[in-house]
Amino acid sequence: DTAVSQTPKYLVTQMGNDKSIKCEQNLGHDTMYWYKQDSKKFLKIMFSYNNKELIINETVPNRFSPKSPDKAHLNLHINSLELGDSAVYFCASSQDAGQGGSPLHFGNGTRLTVT
Amino acid sequence: AQTVTQSQPEMSVQEAETVTLSCTYDTSENNYYLFWYKQPPSRQMILVIRQEAYKQQNATENRFSVNFQKAAKSFSLKISDSQLGDTAMYFCAFRYSGNTPLVFGKGTRLSVIA
Repeated sequence: DTAVSQTPKYLVTQMGNDKSIKCEQNLGHDTMYWYKQDSKKFLKIMFSYNNKELIINETVPNRFSPKSPDKAHLNLHINSLELGDSAVYFCASSQDAGQGGSPLHFGNGTRLTVT
Repeated sequence: AQTVTQSQPEMSVQEAETVTLSCTYDTSENNYYLFWYKQPPSRQMILVIRQEAYKQQNATENRFSVNFQKAAKSFSLKISDSQLGDTAMYFCAFRYSGNTPLVFGKGTRLSVIA
């Protein structure tokens, strides 16, 4: 009954490979996000989707492509992985329709290590 | 763009004591929301407390309370009766209403010492 679940929990891969991280939320929320947490623990927004529509696309290399098949899922695909992509990636969701400033609910993160 | 500043990279506190973590932010808007999240070594992001900017009353959740000073753009977190399980990174965060992301500070690493 996990609210926001992302898989895999750990991902170790070599430079140049393509990988995906999946995220699902069962909270009925209408907005989903991807955040990147770097080695210094800084959390930065990458993408945001509202009802399957991309609404935020920060300065992220176009090797990163989010996909939202429905409002409960937001996957992250990364092409041609680089060493600098090593980080923890968090998926999150929030219910924003008709409500102001609701908190984000986070998944447990995916630690990506590129060797 | 709004920014969130946490000026204390690391802090420590004795078990059962009280500690205050600082946070300041910058915005030109009047309506916004502030949060504190906790990230223990397990890596989970856990909501600690939330404050609406239009409310003057400071939010409290059990041992956690905030001191919200809107004019000073300050939002500090007070942890009373600190417990070993409070050891974690604490992030101050800010967002507007609607489809806007959370903007985080750089975090404060809190160690509770027995």
